[in-house]
Formats: sequence, C-alpha cells, structure tokens
Amino acid sequence: TQLLEQSPQFLSIQEGENLTVYCNSSSVFSSLQWYRQEPGEGPVLLVTVVTGGEVKKLKRLTFQFGDARKDSSLHITAAQPGDTGLYLCAGAHRGGSQGNLIFGKGTKLSVKP
Amino acid sequence: DAGVIQSPRHEVTEMGQEVTLRCKPISGHDYLFWYRQTMMRGLELLIYFNNNVPIDDSGMPEDRFSAKMPNASFSTLKIQPSEPRDSAVYFCASSPFFVGASQPQHFGDGTRLSIL
Repeated sequence: TQLLEQSPQFLSIQEGENLTVYCNSSSVFSSLQWYRQEPGEGPVLLVTVVTGGEVKKLKRLTFQFGDARKDSSLHITAAQPGDTGLYLCAGAHRGGSQGNLIFGKGTKLSVKP
Repeated sequence: DAGVIQSPRHEVTEMGQEVTLRCKPISGHDYLFWYRQTMMRGLELLIYFNNNVPIDDSGMPEDRFSAKMPNASFSTLKIQPSEPRDSAVYFCASSPFFVGASQPQHFGDGTRLSIL
C-alpha cells in the first residue's frame, strides 16, 4: 500500500504569517493533487501538479511537485483566516487504475485573526 | 451545474439497523467513488465505479457493506447490520474521464453517520 504522509498534522498561526505544509511518499506518483476541506463540506480541488519540479501559484498559495515526483509542498504567504481548513494531498499512481487516488490524512490549518 | 448530491446529510441510528446512503453524481461523469473519513484514518476509499461497473471494492471493510450503481445518475452505499465503529463521514465523489493526467474528483458534502 502506498502511503502519503502529510506534515505537520496540525498548524495554528496568526494572520499574516507564512507557512509550508508537506506531503511525502516513498512512491513515485504520475501526478499529485491538493484539496482544501472546510468543516461540514467535502474536499475541493485546489491544484494538480504533473511534472517533476513543477511550481504552480494560486494567489497566495504556491504548490511544488518534487523533482522525483515523490513529494510536494504547499506554501501560503500572508495567511488569512479564510485559509483555515484541512489541506489534503492525493497522488495518482503511475500504471494504476485511472480512477484511483491515494489521499494523505491532511494538515489541519487554523489561522487566527 | 449542480454538484455531487448526497443524502441524507446526517443519520443517527441504533446498531443493528440497516443504513442506506445515497449519491447523485455530476451528469456526464464516468467515475463514482465512495469514501469514509474519520479522524484516526483520514479519507479512505471504499469502492469506485466506472460507467456504473464496480472496479475496485478492496476498501470495503466487511461484507456488511455493499454498494450499487444501477444507473449513471444514482448510487447507494448500504451497511447492514450497522455497528458503532461504522460512525464516520461518508463522501461520494465523481470525476470525468480523460486520459493523460489524474482526474479531478468532485466531492459531495458528505453524510455524517452516527451509530449508537
């Protein structure tokens, strides 16, 4: 079973601070997705990264896929209370079924005003 | 467009009872997934369908769990008999088919299930 480990598990910061969360695996993934989940709702896709070393930006969020496609990071600049939520990474395994994603357990982020 | 619709949003029942969770995927999506989310184990894939056919049910915990997709617009997940350890949030997700990159999954808002 391939595992995606996310760290830290919990993160509580003040508004305006920067932060980075990580998603690591010993397996190679053909692509990796990041989702954000708010209480009482389902996860919502933020971004998909496909190429090793790829960097994608979504406003104050910067996503990077590791060169070996085994890990990824999410960096948030000047965090705001609206960024609060559970951040999940999910990997698609090369050669596996086209439908299946492996999810990490997530990083629960709390941004205090 | 309507998103993935799940019902009920909350279910509280006593152990031993049959529980049926329902899902309407996004129209035109070929894949449908059932997940279970708990604090301890995170988001676990239970089963998924492609064009209404079950492809991988290896995540279904026991024979007490069953899932069906009688047509492209409806799926059910049944637990019979239910047990307290089945308490969790159950999500349904759907995704379109395309080759070459992983598919984005669109999630419903989940059913929060409590077995007393």
